[in-house]
Amino acid sequence: SYELTQPLSVSVALGQTARITCGGNNIGSKNVHWYQQKPGQAPVLVIYRDSNRPSGIPERLSGSNSGNTATLTITRAQAGDEADYYCQVWDSRSVVFGGGTMLTVL
Amino acid sequence: EVQLVESGGGFVQPGGSLRLSCAASAFTFSNFEMTWVRQAPGKGLEWVSYISSSGTTTYYTDSVKGRFTISRDNAKNSLYLQMNDLRAEDTALYYCGKQSGSQIDNWGQGTLVTVSS
Repeated sequence: SYELTQPLSVSVALGQTARITCGGNNIGSKNVHWYQQKPGQAPVLVIYRDSNRPSGIPERLSGSNSGNTATLTITRAQAGDEADYYCQVWDSRSVVFGGGTMLTVL
Repeated sequence: EVQLVESGGGFVQPGGSLRLSCAASAFTFSNFEMTWVRQAPGKGLEWVSYISSSGTTTYYTDSVKGRFTISRDNAKNSLYLQMNDLRAEDTALYYCGKQSGSQIDNWGQGTLVTVSS
């Protein structure tokens, strides 16, 4: 089965840029989606099909996907960006999630 | 605004059964694929099951095959998950999600299932 690998945690200084990676075999050939989940809340889609933002998601969040790595980039990080982030693809009749990355804003 | 409201969770002993429901509103339910995702306490997201818009195609994660059944009633704008032979490892918050393409663009708030003796 297809696997997605994310770092357990990423830290970023307030106002700086955070990058969260999602590794998978030839993931560049798949559509990658990203979700943000804050404590006690349901996940929210923040990036779909590699680099598209749903309405209401700030331009500070962006995505890219190439080769074996997809990346979620958060520029000008804010305290409100602290959350768990999950990448997701569709593969062989199943939804596959990465293990999740906890983003800490220092 | 799209709304998904799960219900039916609760406390059940190992080997027991539960039926989860998800009531959908503010979109044309019959046009969209739906999915169940669960999250064990303190853990990450785990996909459970998928159903096509018509209900004719279903998929399951390996650990629930033969025990869980996903279904939908498009006339009632409702999604279901019948869970049988429940195990301790099924303990989780269960979310229903609306799929748009391969992404889940709307999520409910979840219903908690606890399996324990």
